[in-house]
Amino acid sequence: ELKVEQNPLFLSMQEGKNYTIYCNYSTTSDRLYWYRQDPGKSLESLFVLLSNGAVKQEGRLMASLDTKARLSTLHITAAVHDLSATYFCASGAGGYQKVTFGTGTKLQVIP
Amino acid sequence: EAGVAQSPRYKIIEKRQSVAFWCNPISGHATLYWYQQILGQGPKLLIQFQNNGVVDDSQLPKDRFSAERLKGVDSTLKIQPAKLEDSAVYLCASSLWARQGQETQYFGPGTRLLVL
Repeated sequence: ELKVEQNPLFLSMQEGKNYTIYCNYSTTSDRLYWYRQDPGKSLESLFVLLSNGAVKQEGRLMASLDTKARLSTLHITAAVHDLSATYFCASGAGGYQKVTFGTGTKLQVIP
Repeated sequence: EAGVAQSPRYKIIEKRQSVAFWCNPISGHATLYWYQQILGQGPKLLIQFQNNGVVDDSQLPKDRFSAERLKGVDSTLKIQPAKLEDSAVYLCASSLWARQGQETQYFGPGTRLLVL
């Protein structure tokens, strides 16, 4: 059974600081996804990482994938309050991409 | 482009009652997913359809949950009878095609279910 673990589960950081969220998955994966969820809202797709060494960036967020280590990271650069949300990574495997989500990291950026 | 639509948005029922949720995916999306998200947890896949066929329902509690996707478009998820532990947000998502690099899932707003 594929398991996806994120750490930390909670992260409180000051504006302007940098930090990294880690996502480990237990078995071979074809795809790694990052989503954002605001309180009371649905999930918004941020990144889809397709291969080893893949790196994608959007604004202050950068995601990377190391398939050998079964690790993906979401790096936050110079955090701003608008980034406060819960971030989920999810691993997809199999021909029809069954997706397993991690437990989420709740990020709070303090002005 | 219209997003994934779900209804109702909220539902309160008593245990042992029945409830049904409806989802209309993005037009042209072949793959449809139902997830259960319990408060404070990540979404858990319940069932995945490719067009109108089921490709994964390994985590669907089949003694009480059922789902169908008629004509490969709209889908309904039913719980009968409901238990207290079914209280959760039920999310519907769709993607263009679950293979060949078209896997980005687009989520609907969800249905919040409270079982008393």
